[in-house]
Amino acid sequence: DAGVIQSPRHEVTEMGQEVTLRCKPISGHDYLFWYRQTMMRGLELLIYFNNNVPIDDSGMPEDRFSAKMPNASFSTLKIQPSEPRDSAVYFCASSPATWTVSGATNEKLFFGSGTQLSVL
Amino acid sequence: DQQVKQNSPSLSVQEGRISILNCDYTNSMFDYFLWYKKYPAEGPTFLISISSIKDKNEDGRFTVFLNKSAKHLSLHIVPSQPGDSAVYFCAASAFGNQFYFGTGTSLTVIP
Repeated sequence: DAGVIQSPRHEVTEMGQEVTLRCKPISGHDYLFWYRQTMMRGLELLIYFNNNVPIDDSGMPEDRFSAKMPNASFSTLKIQPSEPRDSAVYFCASSPATWTVSGATNEKLFFGSGTQLSVL
Repeated sequence: DQQVKQNSPSLSVQEGRISILNCDYTNSMFDYFLWYKKYPAEGPTFLISISSIKDKNEDGRFTVFLNKSAKHLSLHIVPSQPGDSAVYFCAASAFGNQFYFGTGTSLTVIP
């Protein structure tokens, strides 16, 4: 498998423009996560999906951020309008479905290479 | 309101010595902990994990220790190698729903 694929790798845009980040999860993974990496907050969870349905978007910073997962193999994170403080690395991650409670779970997240976003 | 904290932004260690990276958490409901390693311009990759029913898990040169009473875990790398130089993230989850990450510790192993 090619792993989690994100595009573009780098995005430079001007303040006020719309930005769309894309993600293709690993085939067969039922969970998809969007994270943002900043120096101050580390890897910050923005939103995650289970079977294409958004489960928790409480990490989305503002209404300017939206995410969709129209099918099991594609997700987008959109920022409209973008602002300089949105500059960060955005990661998509996917994970298989089986979770256990305090058991011998060995599940983990598989990350893409990230999108470096710069808003000028 | 960071639930997972890595208080050391950076660490330098001589090659061959032990590297100890620390992580603290606040949520007593966390039952699964992971360490991820990140090289520049790449996504984080899974390194090692531990369930809350254990206090130690070992994989080659990497050992993770969990102290539930102190809400503290640590990653030991012995012996440290220059290729271990990377940013290490600690992560935790409760019932597998979400993973909460720390801010990362940048490890430099000096040859």
